[in-house]
Amino acid sequence: QKEVEQNSGPLSVPEGAIASLNCTYSDRVSQSFFWYRQYSGKSPELIMSIYSNGDKEDGRFTAQLNKASQYVSLLIRDSQPSDSATYLCAADTGRRALTFGSGTRLQVQP
Amino acid sequence: DTAVSQTPKYLVTQMGNDKSIKCEQNLGHDTMYWYKQDSKKFLKIMFSYNNKELIINETVPNRFSPKSPDKAHLNLHINSLELGDSAVYFCASSQDSSLPSGNTIYFGEGSWLTVV
Repeated sequence: QKEVEQNSGPLSVPEGAIASLNCTYSDRVSQSFFWYRQYSGKSPELIMSIYSNGDKEDGRFTAQLNKASQYVSLLIRDSQPSDSATYLCAADTGRRALTFGSGTRLQVQP
Repeated sequence: DTAVSQTPKYLVTQMGNDKSIKCEQNLGHDTMYWYKQDSKKFLKIMFSYNNKELIINETVPNRFSPKSPDKAHLNLHINSLELGDSAVYFCASSQDSSLPSGNTIYFGEGSWLTVV
């Protein structure tokens, strides 16, 4: 079982809709979680981090964490074509390096 | 100013050759990493160094050898390159404090290695 799992997609949503990206993790030791966005041919860039159960909002982005269910999600409101990218979920499992999922490709259709 | 910079960005080389990728960070971070991203976009940790000390050494062929001359630099040398080494290699750094945000990783632009 992979430590961090994501559906590879592609997830296709129309412009203006809410995109919901999901991630599960296997190691209950994990305390910190991160969402990165990676455009094709570019490096991953941090969107949000979340450490506590519940929701954390930043602009159009909301991260949600449920440690009991070992589940992390990222909601993107009012999706734009420029949001089309691969979204990587990562967990800090205490190994002093982030463990990444394989990413979900998001396509926002104009 | 680029926070994490690595060179070269593109590298095409023949099987059997030896090559190096250099990385420097000007963020004052204590920890640096090498990640490998394969064609399926999976990012996998290879090595990490904290203040020049090797912390993580994943199951990587010993043809790969990292070197950290100081905490701002982490280089990757690869001997006897094989076709399967073709990938994108990302250097990264983090502050590594005791805070939950301490392991936020900042990536360099990547080095695209193609072995022919």
